[in-house]
Amino acid sequence: NAGVTQTPKFQVLKTGQSMTLQCAQDMNHEYMSWYRQDPGMGLRLIHYSVGAGITDQGEVPNGYNVSRSTTEDFPLRLLSAAPSQTSVYFCASKEWRLGSNYGYTFGSGTRLTVV
Amino acid sequence: LAKTTQPISMDSYEGQEVNITCSHNNIATNDYITWYQQFPSQGPRFIIQGYKTKVTNEVASLFIPADRKSSTLSLPRVSLSDTAVYYCLVGAYNTDKLIFGTGTRLQVFP
Repeated sequence: NAGVTQTPKFQVLKTGQSMTLQCAQDMNHEYMSWYRQDPGMGLRLIHYSVGAGITDQGEVPNGYNVSRSTTEDFPLRLLSAAPSQTSVYFCASKEWRLGSNYGYTFGSGTRLTVV
Repeated sequence: LAKTTQPISMDSYEGQEVNITCSHNNIATNDYITWYQQFPSQGPRFIIQGYKTKVTNEVASLFIPADRKSSTLSLPRVSLSDTAVYYCLVGAYNTDKLIFGTGTRLQVFP
C-alpha cells in the first residue's frame, strides 16, 4: 500500500512548455484533488474529482487541466507554463463513504520551477 | 467558508505541552474543525477533527468551547520531531474543499 504517489518529484520547465504531473493512489479512494503551495503560504485548491469521470474547479484553476479516467489516477496538466506557476504541487485523496472521515492523504509533492 | 486566525509561530522545548489556538468567529452550524500537520518537503497530514467539546486521539487533543468560535490543539510532551507547521481548517464534515490559512510554525528546541 503505497498511498498517494506523485511523479516527478522535481521539474524545471521553460515558459510556454507543457507537462503533466502524475498522481496515483492505491487506496481505492473516490475523491482526489490537486493543491499548490507557494513559499510561506498555505495550500490552495486547483481542481478536484469526486469520482471517475467527474472533475470540478477549485480556487485557482486557470492554466491547469485535469481528467479522471480511472479511480487510481488524477493527472494535472499545465497547458503553457508560466513563471507564476512555480510552486510545490500536492495531490491528495480521500475516502468518500458516508460517516467516514480519516482526513485527506497527501502525496509528497512535486516541486516545479518555470524559468 | 469560515476564515481562521492562528499565531504565525510558536516556540517550545522538548517535554512541554503545546497549545495552539485558532480563532474562527464565523464558523457555521455544520462546520467541523480540523487540524493538519506539515513537515518540510512533505504534504500535510491529518491530525484530528472535532465539532464540539473535546476530542482526543493518540497524537493530540482538540478543545472546542461551547460557542465554537475558537479551538485549541494540544500536543502533550512535544519532541523535536513535532517541529512543523500546524494548520487549523474549518469546513463541512466531509468537505471536498480544504481551505488552508498560513498555519502556525512550531519550533521545538532541545
